[in-house]
Amino acid sequence: EAQVTQNPRYLITVTGKKLTVTCSQNMNHEYMSWYRQDPGLGLRQIYYSMNVEVTDKGDVPEGYKVSRKEKRNFPLILESPSPNQTSLYFCASSLQAYSYEQYFGPGTRLTVT
Amino acid sequence: ELKVEQNPLFLSMQEGKNYTIYCNYSTTSDRLYWYRQDPGKSLESLFVLLSNGAVKQEGRLMASLDTKARLSTLHITAAVHDLSATYFCAAADNAGGTSYGKLTFGQGTILTVHP
Repeated sequence: EAQVTQNPRYLITVTGKKLTVTCSQNMNHEYMSWYRQDPGLGLRQIYYSMNVEVTDKGDVPEGYKVSRKEKRNFPLILESPSPNQTSLYFCASSLQAYSYEQYFGPGTRLTVT
Repeated sequence: ELKVEQNPLFLSMQEGKNYTIYCNYSTTSDRLYWYRQDPGKSLESLFVLLSNGAVKQEGRLMASLDTKARLSTLHITAAVHDLSATYFCAAADNAGGTSYGKLTFGQGTILTVHP
């Protein structure tokens, strides 16, 4: 089944404790992206990757890191999480950035205390 | 900086009625996307609009794009309860280079369809 998977789906952590949210797709897509969703703000793009080894900042990259070492995986790293990073995170992928629909993962709800 | 605004943000409709959601964006963009999100769920792609005058239809939903007016619309025809969801539009950056991977979303329109 074609899908985007994220792990974990739910995470409660403490300020400053490094964490990684994994994202994997099995559709051989070039483009992958991370978003955070907060009430009243819609979705905001954190980072995106046009293809392997090419990543770029979205609108809210501060406090996050990403890497794209292989096509299928695009992990989101929070080196020192803070409470303002409490949010619902979505990973998405598409065949290419231009002209194709994005497929979204199920979401990861992160709480930082 | 590209900004995207949707209106209305909340829409309560009666079944059988028609209505339109508007998506305005602030700078040149040649790609506009519409997504649907059900409560507690992920996002589902509805439409990808790639050129001025593009119109796409799926069931009771029709989306259009006017790049000159920097406006996209999502028209709902004869609403049914199953259409209750949050609808997002998103515009792509047109600045060139790898920036065309950058997407800006609107705030979302919460649609509730009543019997």
